[in-house]
Amino acid sequence: DAKTTQPNSMESNEEEPVHLPCNHSTISGTDYIHWYRQLPSQGPEYVIHGLTSNVNNRMASLAIAEDRKSSTLILHRATLRDAAVYYCIRGGSNYKLTFGKGTLLTVNP
Amino acid sequence: EAQVTQNPRYLITVTGKKLTVTCSQNMNHEYMSWYRQDPGLGLRQIYYSMNVEVTDKGDVPEGYKVSRKEKRNFPLILESPSPNQTSLYFCASSALWPTNEKLFFGSGTQLSVL
Repeated sequence: DAKTTQPNSMESNEEEPVHLPCNHSTISGTDYIHWYRQLPSQGPEYVIHGLTSNVNNRMASLAIAEDRKSSTLILHRATLRDAAVYYCIRGGSNYKLTFGKGTLLTVNP
Repeated sequence: EAQVTQNPRYLITVTGKKLTVTCSQNMNHEYMSWYRQDPGLGLRQIYYSMNVEVTDKGDVPEGYKVSRKEKRNFPLILESPSPNQTSLYFCASSALWPTNEKLFFGSGTQLSVL
C-alpha cells in the first residue's frame, strides 16, 4: 500500500517555523519521499523530495527519519503565502501515484 | 519556459456530449498523468502513461479514455460525460516518474457536466 498519513490541518503564526509530519510506514528502500503544495485555485507545485538524507532547498527542509517510516517538512519562517494544502507522496517502483488528502496549513498574521 | 498546458481552463457541457481535455508539455517528459480533484476526496489518479503508446489505469479510470500518440500530448477523453464527472482535472508530467524526478502540474480544467 503506497498511502501516506498526514494530519488534516495545522495552524501556524506568520514568521514562525512550521513542522508538517507525514507517516509512510510501508515505504520501501527505493521509494523517494516527495512534498507538493497546492495554493487555492492552482495546480500542485513541487516543494522538495529526498530518499534518505535530510534535504534543504530555498523553499523548505525535509527531515527523514532514520527508519524512513516518517518525514517532516519544515518551513523555517511561515508567511501568508505559505497557506496551502501540503501533500506528502511516495515515489516508488509503482507508476501509480497516490495522493492523500494532505494537510491544510493556515498561517495567521 | 517549462510548463504543462491544459485546455480549456473551464468547460460546461451536457450529459452524453463527447469532449476532450488537452494536455501538452514542452519538457520532453516520458511520464504523464491525469487526476481529478473533488472536495473531501483529494487528488485521485485517472490514467497515466510511461511513454508513447504506453498507458495504464489509475485509481478511477471508469468513464475516461486517454491516448499517447506523441510524447508531448496526453489528451483526456470523456466519450459520454455524466454529472458525476463534474470535477477539477489536473494533468502532470515528469521526466521519469517514479524516480528522482519531480512532477510538474498544469493549471487545471474545471469541468461541469449538466
